[in-house]
Amino acid sequence: AQKVTQAQTEISVVEKEDVTLDCVYETRDTTYYLFWYKQPPSGELVFLIRRNSFDEQNEISGRYSWNFQKSTSSFNFTITASQVVDSAVYFCALGFLDTGNQFYFGTGTSLTVIP
Amino acid sequence: DTAVSQTPKYLVTQMGNDKSIKCEQNLGHDTMYWYKQDSKKFLKIMFSYNNKELIINETVPNRFSPKSPDKAHLNLHINSLELGDSAVYFCASSPRRVSGTPVHFGPGTRLTVT
Repeated sequence: AQKVTQAQTEISVVEKEDVTLDCVYETRDTTYYLFWYKQPPSGELVFLIRRNSFDEQNEISGRYSWNFQKSTSSFNFTITASQVVDSAVYFCALGFLDTGNQFYFGTGTSLTVIP
Repeated sequence: DTAVSQTPKYLVTQMGNDKSIKCEQNLGHDTMYWYKQDSKKFLKIMFSYNNKELIINETVPNRFSPKSPDKAHLNLHINSLELGDSAVYFCASSPRRVSGTPVHFGPGTRLTVT
């Protein structure tokens, strides 16, 4: 079965703190893709990153970094020096090329950054 | 410049009515989707079309009928609206058979059934 688990429902941090959002996935496929999306209070869904199953290199983009570990089926997302504008719901997703590019979303983690 | 557009952005209607939500993408993508996001922010796929052909049809009441007149459009028609249909509906698109390209989402349509 394909599944994405985001165990943290809500997180609150004070501005400038670092925060890590957890994502654990389940699949028996060897080829898959992992994604993070941000949904700010305005409601749109914004793509943040894509990672394929053969690329375990961690990635850093400004204050954002992602840690992909196949051994633990995790794809965690860290925001360094958080800012109020980072307040949003963050979704992790698992995708495949077959079955019509089916995507499996986690239930989201609501992050609140307190000024 | 909008990649995936949806109309209307807000839709308030009464139970029992029939309504449609329109979606268009100008990305040249082959695959389009409808997702439903409930009040708890849970995102669930409803339908997926590839080149006008239905390829995913999750467990959705048959009151929901997608229609794809061409590969750039995927409209969602809902008959006999119920209170439980209140949600945000997102249209999305992606190129099929292109490695790992993310799904691009429209801005969402907030449907409120009273």
